Parts: sequence; C-alpha cells; structure tokens
Amino acid sequence: QQQVKQSPQSLIVQKGGIPIINCAYENTAFDYFPWYQQFPGKGPALLIAIRPDVSEKKEGRFTISFNKSAKQFSLHIMDSQPGDSATYFCAARGNTGKLIFGQGTTLQVKP
Amino acid sequence: DTAVSQTPKYLVTQMGNDKSIKCEQNLGHDTMYWYKQDSKKFLKIMFSYNNKELIINETVPNRFSPKSPDKAHLNLHINSLELGDSAVYFCASSQDLGNQPQHFGDGTRLSIL
Repeated sequence: QQQVKQSPQSLIVQKGGIPIINCAYENTAFDYFPWYQQFPGKGPALLIAIRPDVSEKKEGRFTISFNKSAKQFSLHIMDSQPGDSATYFCAARGNTGKLIFGQGTTLQVKP
Repeated sequence: DTAVSQTPKYLVTQMGNDKSIKCEQNLGHDTMYWYKQDSKKFLKIMFSYNNKELIINETVPNRFSPKSPDKAHLNLHINSLELGDSAVYFCASSQDLGNQPQHFGDGTRLSIL
C-alpha cells in the first residue's frame, strides 16, 4: 500500500518528442504528488507537483495528468530538449509528510 | 549561497569503521530529512526531524543515528559500516512537515571497501 510504481525504467526520445512517464499508487490517503528531476552528481529537485483534486497541471513544458479513480498520474514533457536528459522520479506524500518515491526513469533526449 | 549543503561529498572507508555525514540548511526550514539512494537509484527516506524532534524513523538499522543539534543541522552517524551501506546519502529540508517541496543537497557518496 505504501508503494509507488513508476514506468518505464528508461526512455529515449528525439529532440522535440513528448516523453511520457507513468506512475501508479495504491494508498488513497496520499495527498500530494510531486515529480523530481535529478541530474548526475546532484540531488533531486522539484519539477512540478499536483494535488488529487486537480486533473491536470501545466508549468512551462511540463504537464502532470492525474487520474484519481485509476490511482495513476503521469508526466509529459512537451518539445523535449537534450538538456531535459535526467532521471525523473514521481512521488506521493503520506500522512506523516513522508515522500514515497517511484523507482525512477532515466530519460535521454537525442539531438 | 547553497541552500542544503552536505559534507563530505565523497567518503571511502573500510568495513567496520564509524563515520559521520554533516548537513546544514540555510533556508530557515523546520524539517530535515535523510534519504538513501541505492545503486539502482531507488530513493528511500531514512529519517525526518521537525524542530529537532525525530518524526520519521524508517526500518533503518540502529547503527545509523541521526543527530539534530539545531533546526539548521541534521547529521548522520553510522557505526560499524557494512558493505551494504554503500550508497549515496541525501539530506533534504522543507519548510515544515506539511509543506513541500523538499530541497535536497547534492549527496554524499559512501563507498565501503
């Protein structure tokens, strides 16, 4: 119940493509769903986040789609660039403020 | 200027030794965390402190002992290091328990020989 399942494990797209990363959860008590971006040698950094009362949130080229009934959410990166190459983590927050992370997706955007 | 800083960045040591990792945040946050990232990049919370009080203590061996001398610092001491402790350890902070986002340091890569 405390897991967040993320797929795919890795993803390669051409510049300008729209990579999509998916996450699924079981615990309906989760109340906040962030996405973090991590570059090699750096810590994760918040990219965008959504709460379960909203079905979509867009910030720049990054969009979260949230399906509460299916307990799934996804990250879309529009017009992807080589600089977007990084590892992306979805997460969900439980009742103690604890963030539970997905397994991560390594994205490579080819020029 | 760095928001969450960890030292050292790299730590190479022998099995059985005791080591510490230090973390400081200058964001004025009340809550601090330690995470472990394994070789497959899986990120898992170990501890969280809110106003110097331990809030989350995951099923971490008691060889790991966090210490928070004040709100801006959360150190991690590890006794009797084992091969399986090799990982990247991240410190993070947030304004308070209910408030995100969490700001992460750049990690300490611990390698056990």
